[in-house]
Amino acid sequence: KQEVTQIPAALSVPEGENLVLNCSFTDSAIYNLQWFRQDPGKGLTSLLLIQSSQREQTSGRLNASLDKSSGRSTLYIAASQPGDSATYLCAVGGQTGANNLFFGTGTRLTVIP
Amino acid sequence: EPEVTQTPSHQVTQMGQEVILRCVPISNHLYFYWYRQILGQKVEFLVSFYNNEISEKSEIFDDQFSVERPDGSNFTLKIRSTKLEDSAMYFCASRTGNRGYTFGSGTRLTVV
Repeated sequence: KQEVTQIPAALSVPEGENLVLNCSFTDSAIYNLQWFRQDPGKGLTSLLLIQSSQREQTSGRLNASLDKSSGRSTLYIAASQPGDSATYLCAVGGQTGANNLFFGTGTRLTVIP
Repeated sequence: EPEVTQTPSHQVTQMGQEVILRCVPISNHLYFYWYRQILGQKVEFLVSFYNNEISEKSEIFDDQFSVERPDGSNFTLKIRSTKLEDSAMYFCASRTGNRGYTFGSGTRLTVV
């Protein structure tokens, strides 16, 4: 069964800093990988989707990379802002069936003004 | 941008009662899912639905759970006899092709 781990569990940075969130997964046979943002008590907002054949995706200040062979993905956030404070979830899509997602436990990010 | 809509946003029910959580997926999406998140824990897969039938379900999705797409737009999750441990945030999601998932804002179910 796919296991997804995210490190660190929590991160606190001053505004303006660049930061990297890490995600690792145990089974490299994936369909895709998706990063989400979750605000407290709220739903999941999709940030970036990387297909299994891709190495990275970018959207604004966000860049996500994927290294399938080593079972790793990173989410890079440039010039962090207080509004970036949230929990960031990594989710790996399985190759079988309906490509269900396996989630990590998330990294709780706090950006200090 | 198209959205997945879930109702209600919060439901409180007594243990042993039946609850129905409702979702309206994005109209041209083909795959539909329910996930849940117990407070402080990971988001967990419950069930996937494609072509009007369940395509996969997790071990959590036992006989107490059922899903239905009654009218081509709504997608419902029914819990027949709720237990305290069913208290969680329930998320509906949909997708099509090789696009990513779109999740709804969730229904917080509290069983008392």
